Amino acid sequence: AQSVSQHNHHVILSEAASLELGCNYSYGGTVNLFWYVQYPGQHLQLLLKYFSGDPLVKGIKGFEAEFIKSKFSFNLRKPSVQWSDTAEYFCAVNALGSGGYQKVTFGTGTKLQVIP
Amino acid sequence: NAGVTQTPKFQVLKTGQSMTLQCAQDMNHNSMYWYRQDPGMGLRLIYYSASEGTTDKGEVPNGYNVSRLNKREFSLRLESAAPSQTSVYFCASSHGTGGRTGELFFGEGSRLTVL
Repeated sequence: AQSVSQHNHHVILSEAASLELGCNYSYGGTVNLFWYVQYPGQHLQLLLKYFSGDPLVKGIKGFEAEFIKSKFSFNLRKPSVQWSDTAEYFCAVNALGSGGYQKVTFGTGTKLQVIP
Repeated sequence: NAGVTQTPKFQVLKTGQSMTLQCAQDMNHNSMYWYRQDPGMGLRLIYYSASEGTTDKGEVPNGYNVSRLNKREFSLRLESAAPSQTSVYFCASSHGTGGRTGELFFGEGSRLTVL
């Protein structure tokens, strides 16, 4: 079964600092990869997704992520964070197999706090 | 567009009481899911339904039952609530077919407290 690891549980940054959140997964086959964001008191929303093609994907609000297949990683980046980026970020993996249902597995989340 | 709608948004139960969380989606999605979210544990899958008429257990199914009433609706039932089921519950849906699977659309969540 696949698993997803987010090593940073809580990150505190000042506004304008650069952000990189790590995500590693364990699954040897083809995957679809996602980052979701949950703003305080809200539900999860899709930030960006990777299905195939260019491993550098761009999402909303200036976020991007790079899929490195050899490292089983899909790290999230943003060059300059804003106070409004304060939220919890979840990496998710959908393992693709032959037939049947493909479960989406989430990491445990990273809480980002941006200090003005 | 409503997307995924969950009810109720808040509920307080006493140990042993039962209740049903309702979920409906208007995106004509095949797959629907129930997750619970607990601090430090991310989202854990309780049950899912890959298509109308099918349901399967996820990671943490004990103490829960589900019904895929039709393509739109997927309900989660707690038969005898326990304090360990205090959590925030999210319903989600996805298209669920083809190679571009896994993109989930979430409801706003239901915060359940069991005393």
